[in-house]
Amino acid sequence: SQQGEEDPQALSIQEGENATMNCSYKTSINNLQWYRQNSGRGLVHLILIRSNEREKHSGRLRVTLDTSKKSSSLLITASRAADTASYFCATRMDSSYKLIFGSGTRLLVRP
Amino acid sequence: DVKVTQSSRYLVKRTGEKVFLECVQDMDHENMFWYRQDPGLGLRLIYFSYDVKMKEKGDIPEGYSVSREKKERFSLILESASTNQTSMYLCASRPLDRVLQETQYFGPGTRLLVL
Repeated sequence: SQQGEEDPQALSIQEGENATMNCSYKTSINNLQWYRQNSGRGLVHLILIRSNEREKHSGRLRVTLDTSKKSSSLLITASRAADTASYFCATRMDSSYKLIFGSGTRLLVRP
Repeated sequence: DVKVTQSSRYLVKRTGEKVFLECVQDMDHENMFWYRQDPGLGLRLIYFSYDVKMKEKGDIPEGYSVSREKKERFSLILESASTNQTSMYLCASRPLDRVLQETQYFGPGTRLLVL
């Protein structure tokens, strides 16, 4: 089964609201990354958080990591219609070069 | 900015055809990846190349092969296309220094339909 699983699978909010997406994983990790994918396009890296970090910010993005619960959350504040996309978490274990991607959260921001 | 390009956005092939998907990156990255993306399954790694002429199987290599003759180019080959290889194919690259540079840079994807 996959290392990372996002929750919810789909999220619909009004422009200006905050969007929170969660990711759970199964084994110890070196880092966790969040990517965005606009419809039918490639993925774009958003933010990376290492296993010894608990919180990170980048613009309107806030990522938290709880290694004891093996979970992470991505918060997008003051959402815009342009934030409509799928969001994926990806984890890398210490012993591997590979990124393991979850199945993603589809976010719809209604104008 | 890093640019990763893929040879086709959309491709339609017939069962049994040999299919070539090309990926080119312009940032001198050592590592390159091929993934396929299917609804509900996320991205799954097909093959990985850590340098020229080097390759390693990913999680789902069956039915695929790869070629990395030049650093900037990584090709995915479907030897005999089958309908279950209908999917979105994504190429990515990353520099060798994993400690400082973990980000993977993705191409726009190739949507392949096998009839």
